[in-house]
This record gives sequence, structure tokens and C-alpha cells, in this order.
Amino acid sequence: DAGITQSPRHKVTETGTPVTLRCHQTENHRYMYWYRQDPGHGLRLIHYSYGVKDTDKGEVSDGYSVSRSKTEDFLLTLESATSSQTSVYFCAISGPDRERGKSYEQYFGPGTRLTVT
Amino acid sequence: DQQVKQNSPSLSVQEGRISILNCDYTNSMFDYFLWYKKYPAEGPTFLISISSIKDKNEDGRFTVFLNKSAKHLSLHIVPSQPGDSAVYFCAATSNTGNQFYFGTGTSLTVIP
Repeated sequence: DAGITQSPRHKVTETGTPVTLRCHQTENHRYMYWYRQDPGHGLRLIHYSYGVKDTDKGEVSDGYSVSRSKTEDFLLTLESATSSQTSVYFCAISGPDRERGKSYEQYFGPGTRLTVT
Repeated sequence: DQQVKQNSPSLSVQEGRISILNCDYTNSMFDYFLWYKKYPAEGPTFLISISSIKDKNEDGRFTVFLNKSAKHLSLHIVPSQPGDSAVYFCAATSNTGNQFYFGTGTSLTVIP
């Protein structure tokens, strides 16, 4: 199993509060991703990172920001949480062949269930 | 608009039979496709992938078929086992490998 952890695993917060989710990897991989999973939508990419301090937007980036100051950590921040951001959030990393352009499979963390009340 | 579609939310199959899961896509720039399996309360796990230069890729009981002209791919599981019961997602990306688009998933139940 790829060494990916997410914290917290569960969180309940109130509308308008800031929330930060953490993804930590021990694989030293360059590419990291944040997704959200919602019924009827599958997984949707929020942001991704292709190196320290290098990030870019995904399909549903509005209301989210990210930071990557170390290879092993990728943080997702909801600046002011809204009920529409209630979801399950998954972090993923790419496998070692990604950097050689050979394959693009991703390895996912266990997820964080976020509820915004 | 959903660029990757899985039109069957659920599928039930008898143990030992073939499971066929389908996926359609709309973006002709996609050239790499993946299947993931997900159990409840866990993250998705990678199953198998295929590049657009191929039309078939096989890994044990799992085979993915790609029909580029129809913008359609399918995952075949033979023989199906009860442990295969899970939600299956297909995903697609272009050759940059940065933006990934997932389908909504198909819940497979393999009946013993």
C-alpha cells in the first residue's frame, strides 16, 4: 500500500469557519491531488500539485486553496466553509511511472469526511 | 457536463460469471483511461489502465477494452467473485496526465 495518510478522518464544522485538511505521503512522489466525492458526481478534482510550491486548479477549485511547502505534505483549505462543501475528500498521489510519462495511475488515501452545518 | 459517464449505477452478477462494466467519454483529447475499485469507507484502488494506442489490456481476471471511435471503454471481470463487490469508477486523462475526470461509478454486486 502506498503510504498516504489524511487528517482528520472526520470533521464537523460550522458554516463560515476555515478548515484545513492534510495529506501526508511517505513515497516522495512529485504529484499529489485533492478530490471530492459526492453522490451523482463521482470524484472531481479540486487542485493538484506537481512539485513543492507548484500547484494548479482542477475542475471544482472555487472556494478551495492549497499549499505544498514540503514534498510529503499537501494541504487543502476551505477559507470559509459552506454547506455545499460537505463531502468526502480524498488525497491521491501518482505512481513512480508518472514522472516517466509511462502511466498515470493514482493511489488514494483513506478519505476525510467533512460535514459543514 | 460530465465528460466521463457510467450510465449503469448498479449491476448484479452471479459468482463465476462475467461482469461487464461500461464507460463512455465525450472528450476526444482523452488518451489514457483507468479503472478503480472502491469499497465503502476506503479510498479508491487502482485496477487497470489502457492507453489510447491499444484497444485491449489484460491483467489476470480483469480486461479493459477501448473503442476509440465510439468513445467507449469496458471492464470485463472473469470469473466474478464475491470479493469483487464494490463500486467501480472509470477515469480519463489527456497526455499531460494532470487533469483527471471520473465517472459517477457502477456498484457491482456478485451474488454467491
